[in-house]
Amino acid sequence: DVKVTQSSRYLVKRTGEKVFLECVQDMDHENMFWYRQDPGLGLRLIYFSYDVKMKEKGDIPEGYSVSREKKERFSLILESASTNQTSMYLCASSGQGGPRLPQHFGDGTRLSIL
Amino acid sequence: AQTVTQSQPEMSVQEAETVTLSCTYDTSESDYYLFWYKQPPSRQMILVIRQEAYKQQNATENRFSVNFQKAAKSFSLKISDSQLGDAAMYFCAYRSYNTDKLIFGTGTRLQVFP
Repeated sequence: DVKVTQSSRYLVKRTGEKVFLECVQDMDHENMFWYRQDPGLGLRLIYFSYDVKMKEKGDIPEGYSVSREKKERFSLILESASTNQTSMYLCASSGQGGPRLPQHFGDGTRLSIL
Repeated sequence: AQTVTQSQPEMSVQEAETVTLSCTYDTSESDYYLFWYKQPPSRQMILVIRQEAYKQQNATENRFSVNFQKAAKSFSLKISDSQLGDAAMYFCAYRSYNTDKLIFGTGTRLQVFP
C-alpha cells in the first residue's frame, strides 16, 4: 500500500514565524501535491510538483512556497505565517501512469497560527 | 475553467438504507475522469470510486455505485446498505485527461444513524 506521511498531525505557530510542513511518500511517485482544506471550500490546490526540483503553482499559492530536493519528499513553507493560514493541510502523491491513477493522501496537518 | 459543485453540505441515512450524494461539474472537455473520495473523521482520505468519461457504463465498487450522466454533467454516488463506517466527508473530484491536477467539490458530510 502507498504510504504518504505528514510530519505532524497538529501544529501551533505564531504570526510571522516561518513554518515548514513535511511530506514523505514511499511509492516512488513522480507527482506530489499540497492542498488546503477549509470548511465549505473543499480542497484547494496550493502547489504541486511532477519531478524533483520542479514545481507549479496551484490555485492559491500566495504566501506559500515549496521545496522538492528528493523525489520522496515535498515540503510546504509558510514564509511568514498569518492567522488566515490557519487550516488543515493535506499532502498527496500519484504516479505518472495516466489520469485514471488516484492520488494518495496523508493524514493531514491541522495548523493553527496564533 | 472546470468547476465541481456539491449542493448538499450534509446528508443523513439510517443504517442498512440507501443514500445518494449529488455532484455536478462544468467542463468543455470531452475526455476526463471523475472520482469520489471519502474522508472519515480524523482519518486519511481514500478513493471510493472512479469513472472514465468515455465509458458509458456506470462504475461499481461493492456497495458503492455511481450514476454518471455525461450530457447533464452529473456524477452522483449511491451507497447501498449503509453502514456506520460510511459516516464521513465525501468529496467529488474532476481530473482532465491531460493533467495530474484534481478539482474538488466542497464536500458532503454523511451521517449514518443506527
